Amino acid sequence: GAGVSQSPRYKVTKRGQDVALRCDPISGHVSLYWYRQALGQGPEFLTYFNYEAQQDKSGLPNDRFSAERPEGSISTLTIQRTEQRDSAMYRCASSKRQGRNTEAFFGQGTRLTVV
Amino acid sequence: DAKTTQPNSMESNEEEPVHLPCNHSTISGTDYIHWYRQLPSQGPEYVIHGLTSNVNNRMASLAIAEDRKSSTLILHRATLRDAAVYYCICSNSGYALNFGKGTSLLVTP
Repeated sequence: GAGVSQSPRYKVTKRGQDVALRCDPISGHVSLYWYRQALGQGPEFLTYFNYEAQQDKSGLPNDRFSAERPEGSISTLTIQRTEQRDSAMYRCASSKRQGRNTEAFFGQGTRLTVV
Repeated sequence: DAKTTQPNSMESNEEEPVHLPCNHSTISGTDYIHWYRQLPSQGPEYVIHGLTSNVNNRMASLAIAEDRKSSTLILHRATLRDAAVYYCICSNSGYALNFGKGTSLLVTP
């Protein structure tokens, strides 16, 4: 596709339910990132993939959060046993190559609301 | 990654140049300086990045101080569409971008 695509755009779930958020990066992009953004704040890093390998997951808040990118393209961020504090905008980004000298392209995000 | 300091907000008139400052006094030799912006209800959008030399692209210019402890994003002619939060980020990893709070730019007609 033309840009990074995330689905669903909006998700309302009950506390305790599991949710899976999907990210479809720009075709051919090697690196994929997940961020979380609270209202009025800048995005906060969660995790990062190069191809299918999860290179850094230090930003995941706790073990209820996990992510995968099994074929090096589409990625899924899963939150188990959701809590109200998980409510936020979840943003995915991708870049053509890895490293510092590159630009990231962000998707429109998934707005998660836990009730 | 080095911490960055930006003004909370700035205001500009339409069609005038805008200089958005950023201090990063603890920047390391390998940190790139990245600028992203976020329009209301949109995802962050890449603007420009550089290491040591000044950089120009179709969106903006990046002026980097000789000691690299500060930089300035220059929008040559602000439009209403440039109203956004602008984030200055110093990154060694290239992926764990620390966005901070950014500068909220208001452009008035």
